[in-house]
Amino acid sequence: GDSVTQMEGPVTLSEEAFLTINCTYTATGYPSLFWYVQYPGEGLQLLLKATKADDKGSNKGFEATYRKETTSFHLEKGSVQVSDSAVYFCALSENRDDKIIFGKGTRLHILP
Amino acid sequence: EADIYQTPRYLVIGTGKKITLECSQTMGHDKMYWYQQDPGMELHLIHYSYGVNSTEKGDLSSESTVSRIRTEHFPLTLESARPSHTSQYLCASSDLNPMSYNEQFFGPGTRLTVL
Repeated sequence: GDSVTQMEGPVTLSEEAFLTINCTYTATGYPSLFWYVQYPGEGLQLLLKATKADDKGSNKGFEATYRKETTSFHLEKGSVQVSDSAVYFCALSENRDDKIIFGKGTRLHILP
Repeated sequence: EADIYQTPRYLVIGTGKKITLECSQTMGHDKMYWYQQDPGMELHLIHYSYGVNSTEKGDLSSESTVSRIRTEHFPLTLESARPSHTSQYLCASSDLNPMSYNEQFFGPGTRLTVL
C-alpha cells in the first residue's frame, strides 16, 4: 500500500541555518504531495503542495520539489527562524482515494 | 471567514463519563475526518464521512462513534471514557471537488485527559 517515510527528529538547528527534512513515498498511482506544519498547541496547517512530477511547492520561504524518479519530496528552507519551530508532516493523496497518508512527523527546534 | 472549529480545546474528565467532542466547519465541505494524535505525534485516522448520513471507520480501531446529521457538523462521542482514551483529537474537512487534490483543513484540536 501507499506510504510516506520522513526523517526522524528531533532536528535542532541554529537560527539562519539551512534546513532539509527528507521525505520519500511509495504509491501505486500519481499522488499529490503535501507538507503540513503543526505549531505548538494547534492543528495542522497546509504549508505547501505539489500535484504532479517536477512541480515545486513554495510558501513562507519553504520549498519542496516533486521528484518522481526518486519518489521524494524533501522540504528545504535557506534560513530558518525561531518561529519555524514546529512539527512538520509529509503526506500524500491519490486522487482515486479520499484519504491522506501522513508521515510520522519531524519535530524541528530552532535555537536563537 | 471560512474555518473549522473544535470545542472544547481541553477536557479533563473521570473514567466512565460520556463525552462529545464537537467539530464544525463553515466551508461547505462534504468530507470530514477525525484523527487521534499520539504523544509521538503520529496521526491515526479513526472516522470519516463523505456527507450527511455517511460515516466510516478509519484505519485505527476506536471505541468512539460519530454522526453526520448536518453537513457542517461532525461530533465524536465516547460513551464511557477510559484513561486509554487520553489523547489529542483533530478534526479535518476537505472538498469533494477533484481539483482540491484531497487537501484537508484542520481544526485546532481537543486535548482529552481521562483520569
